[in-house]
Amino acid sequence: GAVVSQHPSWVICKSGTSVKIECRSLDFQATTMFWYRQFPKQSLMLMATSNEGSKATYEQGVEKDKFLINHASLTLSTLTVTSAHPEDSSFYICSARVSLGAGETQYFGPGTRLLVL
Amino acid sequence: AQKITQTQPGMFVQEKEAVTLDCTYDTSDPSYGLFWYKQPSSGEMIFLIYQGSYDQQNATEGRYSLNFQKARKSANLVISASQLGDSAMYFCAMREGRGGGNKLTFGTGTQLKVEL
Repeated sequence: GAVVSQHPSWVICKSGTSVKIECRSLDFQATTMFWYRQFPKQSLMLMATSNEGSKATYEQGVEKDKFLINHASLTLSTLTVTSAHPEDSSFYICSARVSLGAGETQYFGPGTRLLVL
Repeated sequence: AQKITQTQPGMFVQEKEAVTLDCTYDTSDPSYGLFWYKQPSSGEMIFLIYQGSYDQQNATEGRYSLNFQKARKSANLVISASQLGDSAMYFCAMREGRGGGNKLTFGTGTQLKVEL
């Protein structure tokens, strides 16, 4: 099946630093990728839709200047958490849509655990 | 209003038994897709099964089947012959519109525990 990778798998950083998370589609091209955030014991919340070659579409309440998204190629989207603070500590997951004949699915990366001290 | 509702925060099932995880949805869009994902403690989201709103038959994938009742707007996941490895969080999700951003809206999840 389609594979989506993320790097790094976990990161610990000091408050005020920026962290970049990469999301790659390994065996397919993804014109659209999605970034989600998940706090402990909670569901996934969509942060933004990343479109190859154009600006990302952010969900209401998500600061676009804080969560910078770049989708420079059909296989790579990056999320940069700028000036991270402890409240940004979370599990960040990317996904990409894949058509499966008459059906479809979205495959998810393994996630990145961010801890801001 | 919640678009995806999972009313069971936690479920227990004995090994080898079948279990049904409930999911109801709310949409006025005639075209939508329903998904189930499994999230073990490692955090990865594992795709299980998909049902399109126009699909005539209930989706099945191995031990997983989706009980799609369109009029009731429910899409329950049935896991047959439960295994210890099925213990995980299960999320129901919906994609509205034909293409419409393709973004998924998730339910709050059901924590399934399979016991010996």
